[in-house]
Amino acid sequence: GQQVMQIPQYQHVQEGEDFTTYCNSSTTLSNIQWYKQRPGGHPVFLIQLVKSGEVKKQKRLTFQFGEAKKNSSLHITATQTTDVGTYFCAGRHRGGGNKLTFGTGTQLKVEL
Amino acid sequence: AAGVIQSPRHLIKEKRETATLKCYPIPRHDTVYWYQQGPGQDPQFLISFYEKMQSDKGSIPDRFSAQQFSDYHSELNMSSLELGDSALYFCASSPPERNTEAFFGQGTRLTVV
Repeated sequence: GQQVMQIPQYQHVQEGEDFTTYCNSSTTLSNIQWYKQRPGGHPVFLIQLVKSGEVKKQKRLTFQFGEAKKNSSLHITATQTTDVGTYFCAGRHRGGGNKLTFGTGTQLKVEL
Repeated sequence: AAGVIQSPRHLIKEKRETATLKCYPIPRHDTVYWYQQGPGQDPQFLISFYEKMQSDKGSIPDRFSAQQFSDYHSELNMSSLELGDSALYFCASSPPERNTEAFFGQGTRLTVV
């Protein structure tokens, strides 16, 4: 079946350190989205990548879509305590309709 | 701005009982998704609807059914509840433009005892 894996599962960083989560799909994706879920909250959309090799930036966040459209990454520069949460990638697989398959998520904890 | 509304927010049921979860999408959104999220788990896709028709089906048990009504709200019906059904159930909606972001509701926390 269509699977989307993320590594690492957990990441503890000191405030100010950088953070990266990697997302890998078993099949080619038509597009990939990233969501952030705060503890006790619901997933909130961050960004969507569509093109092969696409790179997008949102302030301290950099998102990248792989050339083969099977992997993606999210990099946060100089983490802050407000970055705490679980980051999910979510992809639509080619031929998979509008179904959005979530990755396994990376839980980020930021310590002062 | 209007968001996705889910009700109830919390629900406690006994084993073998039934439950109905409701979702009211953002106005003008024509696609509704249902996800199940266990503790510490990623959201698992259950089912989705587009223009009141089932569009995709995921890991939804046969004991569950769902539909989207003429006003675009959706209901997830769960029967013969099991302890393992305890989870957060999220509904999300998307606008008519294809392959866009999904807006999630606050979720319904179902506890089966």
